[in-house]
Amino acid sequence: KAGVTQTPRYLIKTRGQQVTLSCSPISGHRSVSWYQQTPGQGLQFLFEYFSETQRNKGNFPGRFSGRQFSNSRSEMNVSTLELGDSALYLCASSPNQGFEEKLFFGSGTQLSVL
Amino acid sequence: QKEVEQDPGPLSVPEGAIVSLNCTYSNSAFQYFMWYRQYSRKGPELLMYTYSSGNKEDGRFTAQVDKSSKYISLFIRDSQPSDSATYLCATPGPGNQFYFGTGTSLTVIP
Repeated sequence: KAGVTQTPRYLIKTRGQQVTLSCSPISGHRSVSWYQQTPGQGLQFLFEYFSETQRNKGNFPGRFSGRQFSNSRSEMNVSTLELGDSALYLCASSPNQGFEEKLFFGSGTQLSVL
Repeated sequence: QKEVEQDPGPLSVPEGAIVSLNCTYSNSAFQYFMWYRQYSRKGPELLMYTYSSGNKEDGRFTAQVDKSSKYISLFIRDSQPSDSATYLCATPGPGNQFYFGTGTSLTVIP
C-alpha cells in the first residue's frame, strides 16, 4: 500500500505570497490532518478533514486554510506568508476506525519564507 | 501547561547502550499513547502504541506508562546507530487531534 504523499517537498517563497500544499492519503483513509513542525514548538495541529468536511481546527490564524476532495486528497493554503510560517508542514492520514487511532505521516513539505 | 511535555535532549549514547526516553502528560483522562520516530528530513513514523494500563514490548523497544505520575517512557535495548533519530511521544485528544511532545534527539555513536 502506498504511503502518504506530499508535494512539493521543498518550497521557497517571499513574504506576502501565498502557497498551496498537497497531500494524498493512504488508500482507504478518509481522515486527513495537517500539522506544522518547528524546532521550538514541535508539532502543532492545524486542522483535520473527514469526508470533505473540516471536523477540527487548531489555534492558527485564518490565513491557514484547507480543503478535502471527494477522493480524500487534501490541500492546505497559506495566504500572505510571514517569516514565522517557515516550517515543515506534515500531512497525516488515519483510518478513522474510532479506536486505537493512528496517524500515518507523509515526508512533509519544507517551506522557507524569505 | 502543554498536554504532553518531553525533554528535548539531545541525547548521545554509545552503541549497545540502553536508552530511556521520557514524557509527561497533563491530563489523567489520556489513556492511549504512541511513540513516533522521525529521521532527518522525513515525516514521523509510528513506532509503538500502548495503553495507560501497562507495558508493551516489541523487539528491542519497550513502551511503559506510569499512570500515577503521568509518565511515559520508551526504552531501547542494544541501541544501534540506525536508532539515531528524533523520538516523539503523542496522545490523541478530542476531534482526532493528537498532542505531541517536542521530541528528543538521539544519537547512537558506533
